[in-house]
Amino acid sequence: KNEVEQSPQNLTAQEGEFITINCSYSVGISALHWLQQHPGGGIVSLFMLSSGKKKHGRLIATINIQEKHSSLHITASHPRDSAVYICAVESSTLVFGAGTILRVKS
Amino acid sequence: DVKVTQSSRYLVKRTGEKVFLECVQDMDHENMFWYRQDPGLGLRLIYFSYDVKMKEKGDIPEGYSVSREKKERFSLILESASTNQTSMYLCASTTYRLGLMNTEAFFGQGTRLTVV
Repeated sequence: KNEVEQSPQNLTAQEGEFITINCSYSVGISALHWLQQHPGGGIVSLFMLSSGKKKHGRLIATINIQEKHSSLHITASHPRDSAVYICAVESSTLVFGAGTILRVKS
Repeated sequence: DVKVTQSSRYLVKRTGEKVFLECVQDMDHENMFWYRQDPGLGLRLIYFSYDVKMKEKGDIPEGYSVSREKKERFSLILESASTNQTSMYLCASTTYRLGLMNTEAFFGQGTRLTVV
């Protein structure tokens, strides 16, 4: 069993929809990262959180330490949000989930 | 505003060649990491370095070596490239040792290596 599980693996949404990507982990962590990877490979850090909730624009990330679960929400989705979203947990190193491929259609 | 730079975006090499992938960061970070990314497997850690001339094996170090002669530069070396090393390679850097202090990780743009 992978230490970090993401769901869904693939997600197609219509422009304007509310999107949720989930991340569950099985190890003790000091922080959890949500990353975004666009076609071409570059990765951008979206959030780093160790408790509660963070918001940046249309993106919201939450984490429940007791349940070992985090969610990334995108409100009013747009085609430019199409990317791979990666959850990574921080223990002695970063352990990555396999990623969620999101496609937002106009 | 480039922070982590990988020397090549795309590389095609022949089986058996020695391959160098270079990563440079301009943030004076102590820690640098090399990952490979494969479909369905996510990012897997190859090697990392906490300081100049220091290196630690990650989860999949076989077939790779690294060099950290200067703080800003971390090189990944494929001693004798093989077709199963065809992958996307990503470099990252952080300020503090992961696990001891929450810190943001900065990634390079990635190098897509094809070994033929």
